[in-house]
Amino acid sequence: EAGVAQSPRYKIIEKRQSVAFWCNPISGHATLYWYQQILGQGPKLLIQFQNNGVVDDSQLPKDRFSAERLKGVDSTLKIQPAKLEDSAVYLCASSRPRGSRAGANVLTFGAGSRLTVL
Amino acid sequence: DQQVKQNSPSLSVQEGRISILNCDYTNSMFDYFLWYKKYPAEGPTFLISISSIKDKNEDGRFTVFLNKSAKHLSLHIVPSQPGDSAVYFCAARKAAAGNKLTFGGGTRVLVKP
Repeated sequence: EAGVAQSPRYKIIEKRQSVAFWCNPISGHATLYWYQQILGQGPKLLIQFQNNGVVDDSQLPKDRFSAERLKGVDSTLKIQPAKLEDSAVYLCASSRPRGSRAGANVLTFGAGSRLTVL
Repeated sequence: DQQVKQNSPSLSVQEGRISILNCDYTNSMFDYFLWYKKYPAEGPTFLISISSIKDKNEDGRFTVFLNKSAKHLSLHIVPSQPGDSAVYFCAARKAAAGNKLTFGGGTRVLVKP
C-alpha cells in the first residue's frame, strides 16, 4: 500500500510569513494526525482528525496554526504568522479507526515537512 | 508535563551485542505502548508494541518488556546490527484517547561495526 505523502519536504521562510503543509494519508485510514517534532525532542500531537471532524486540537496554537481535512481525505496545516520557535519537522500520520482489526493502534507516518523560520 | 520519558539521549553498542533502551511513564491510564524507529530525513516507522495486559512481546531480534508496577518498559535488540543505528522513540496510548500517541524524547542508538 502507498504510504503517507507529505509536501513540501523542506521550507524556509522569514518570521511573520505564512506556510502551508499538505498531507495525503493511506487510503482507507479514517484517522489523521499532525505532529510537531522539534529538534532533539519527540513528536508532539498538534491535531487529530477522525474523517473530517476534529477529535483533539488541545495542543494546537490556534492563534497562528490552523488545520483542515475537507472531504475526510487530504489535510492541510497552516501557520500564519510563523515564529522562530515554529522551526521543526511537521509529521503527518494516519491510522485505522480504533476498533478496526489488528493494526488500528499503529500510526503510519509520512517523511515529514521540515520548516526553518529565519 | 512529560508523561513519557526516555532518560538516555544516546547509546553506543558494539555490533553483535545487546542494545537496551529504557522508557518510563507517569500516567497509569496508558494501556498500549509502542516503539518507533527513525532514520534521518524519514518519518518514524513502527517497530514493536505491547499491550498493558502483557509483560513481554517478542518479534525477531526485538523484545519489549513492560513492568506496570514500575511504569517502565524496555526494548532489547539482540544481536545489534549497524542498520539498527537510528533514533528510537517510545510511545504510549491512553485507553480513552483514541489512537493518540504520546512520545518520549527519543534515544539515539549507534551500533559500531
